[in-house]
Amino acid sequence: ETGVTQTPRHLVMGMTNKKSLKCEQHLGHNAMYWYKQSAKKPLELMFVYSLEERVENNSVPSRFSPECPNSSHLFLHLHTLQPEDSALYLCASSQVPARSTEAFFGQGTRLTVV
Amino acid sequence: AQKVTQAQTEISVVEKEDVTLDCVYETRDTTYYLFWYKQPPSGELVFLIRRNSFDEQNEISGRYSWNFQKSTSSFNFTITASQVVDSAVYFCALSEYNQGGKLIFGQGTELSVKP
Repeated sequence: ETGVTQTPRHLVMGMTNKKSLKCEQHLGHNAMYWYKQSAKKPLELMFVYSLEERVENNSVPSRFSPECPNSSHLFLHLHTLQPEDSALYLCASSQVPARSTEAFFGQGTRLTVV
Repeated sequence: AQKVTQAQTEISVVEKEDVTLDCVYETRDTTYYLFWYKQPPSGELVFLIRRNSFDEQNEISGRYSWNFQKSTSSFNFTITASQVVDSAVYFCALSEYNQGGKLIFGQGTELSVKP
């Protein structure tokens, strides 16, 4: 098993659909993150979960709803998305409070909203 | 405020050339960490290096080397004798001491190495 696994790898959804992105880490880390990578933009941090508690929400619209049931799993629930939400969504994990520890990333989910 | 700037959006070189990717950062913290990640076409970000703010020693790992200069707030990355497999987008990132592992990324530099 690779360190951080994301499913699905590709997702096409209509604006009225509801879908979920899944992330699983096998590294024993206690913090997980969702990042959004749009074309020609830097990666944007969306949510941070530390010890299964949400510690950061970077002004993300409510049509994105994260869930962290345990330290190994992270979900991003999607509903009534807009075409501008099409992007690569990356999940990462790290160990906190070891602040110098690097984050490990999954391969991402390429989301297209039609 | 924290910020990372990678002024080079795209770089194209011919195989075996040396190439340097620039990274300039801004932070008010005295303790912080700098990172480089590689993003191949498959999408995942691959960790390359971490540097903490107290360690200005340059590092070499095979064909890769990093030059950390606090005086100019720069953390540049050089690939020596580039290869086609080095083609990817490279991201520089900053994490501050009290930010719980949150990474601030630069815009990325797309490197294309042609045979």
